[in-house]
Amino acid sequence: GAGVSQSPRYKVAKRGQDVALRCDPISGHVSLFWYQQALGQGPEFLTYFQNEAQLDKSGLPSDRFFAERPEGSVSTLKIQRTQQEDSAVYLCASSFGGSNTGELFFGEGSRLTVL
Amino acid sequence: AQSVTQPDIHITVSEGASLELRCNYSYGATPYLFWYVQSPGQGLQLLLKYFSGDTLVQGIKGFEAEFKRSQSSFNLRKPSVHWSDAAEYFCAVTPRSSASKIIFGSGTRLSIRP
Repeated sequence: GAGVSQSPRYKVAKRGQDVALRCDPISGHVSLFWYQQALGQGPEFLTYFQNEAQLDKSGLPSDRFFAERPEGSVSTLKIQRTQQEDSAVYLCASSFGGSNTGELFFGEGSRLTVL
Repeated sequence: AQSVTQPDIHITVSEGASLELRCNYSYGATPYLFWYVQSPGQGLQLLLKYFSGDTLVQGIKGFEAEFKRSQSSFNLRKPSVHWSDAAEYFCAVTPRSSASKIIFGSGTRLSIRP
């Protein structure tokens, strides 16, 4: 596709449920990033992939959060046993190089609401 | 600790007036600097970036930003705002030594008065 695609756009989960959020980056982009954006806040870094390798996962808030990019293209962010504090917009971004080489292209995000 | 500060949470300016959004950073060395804009229902879009060279950088949509090393600042400016500029603006930094995370500020919401 022409841009970064994320699905679902909206997800409502009951506390304790597992959720999976998908990111389809721009074709050919090596780097993929996940960010969490709480209401009224700036995006907070979660994790970074270069191709299929997860090079930085320092931002994942707990071991309930897991991300993968097995073939170096599509990525999935999985949240197990969701809690109310997980409610946020989850942003995916991709770039041809690393973050310090140029522009990140962001998707529109997946809004997660945990009841 | 590395940080990005946007001291203004919300700014309202009249259409046609000039605009300056403030950004200060705290880093061991000069990082790469960015401004992104987030319009309602849209993804974050890069406005401009500073890597090196001329400290006044031009971006899209008529925006510019000036890097001031002595003040650790990277303020965003526009001479004359349009109603379509109403959005959330984020300053962001990434260390030169890393191809990893970009750190974002908390954002400044810009409203335009008709």
